[in-house]
Amino acid sequence: AQSVTQPDIHITVSEGASLELRCNYSYGATPYLFWYVQSPGQGLQLLLKYFSGDTLVQGIKGFEAEFKRSQSSFNLRKPSVHWSDAAEYFCAVGGGSNSGYALNFGKGTSLLVTP
Amino acid sequence: DSGVTQTPKHLITATGQRVTLRCSPRSGDLSVYWYQQSLDQGLQFLIQYYNGEERAKGNILERFSAQQFPDLHSELNLSSLELGDSALYFCASSVQTGPNYEQYFGPGTRLTVT
Repeated sequence: AQSVTQPDIHITVSEGASLELRCNYSYGATPYLFWYVQSPGQGLQLLLKYFSGDTLVQGIKGFEAEFKRSQSSFNLRKPSVHWSDAAEYFCAVGGGSNSGYALNFGKGTSLLVTP
Repeated sequence: DSGVTQTPKHLITATGQRVTLRCSPRSGDLSVYWYQQSLDQGLQFLIQYYNGEERAKGNILERFSAQQFPDLHSELNLSSLELGDSALYFCASSVQTGPNYEQYFGPGTRLTVT
């Protein structure tokens, strides 16, 4: 079954510092991978997605992610973090047809941004 | 604003009761997914409807059911509620069903069972 693991439950970075959130996936074929962000009291917003092609994917709000098949990873990066980036970040992998292509989410990484 | 609406925003009810959560997908979206977000289980897929028909089931309890109406809005019915059903319930919609169709999430309904 498709699954993702986010090893870091919490991450704290200083404003202006770079950010990398880790995500490892488990899937036999080429995965459909997503990063979502959830601000307090809000729904989930898609940051970026990978289906195929270029392994470096650009998303909204200055985020990017790199798909590395050899490491089964899809890490999210941002060169300079803003205080407004504090939120919960979820990596997800798309399921197969038997699950209606529903998303399988990781447990999430909570990002705290300090001044 | 994703274009997906969910009502109510908050719901507080007692154990043993039944509630209905409502979701209106984005205009033109045929597929609706329901997810549950809880502290211990994280985000879990419950059920999917496509153009009025049930397409896939995830970790949905037998006490829970859903339907999608001709106008494509969907309702999730939760019955014989238990304390453990307290969670945030999200609805997501997509244009079609398929791996490369983006799912747009609503703001969620927070259910508290007392």
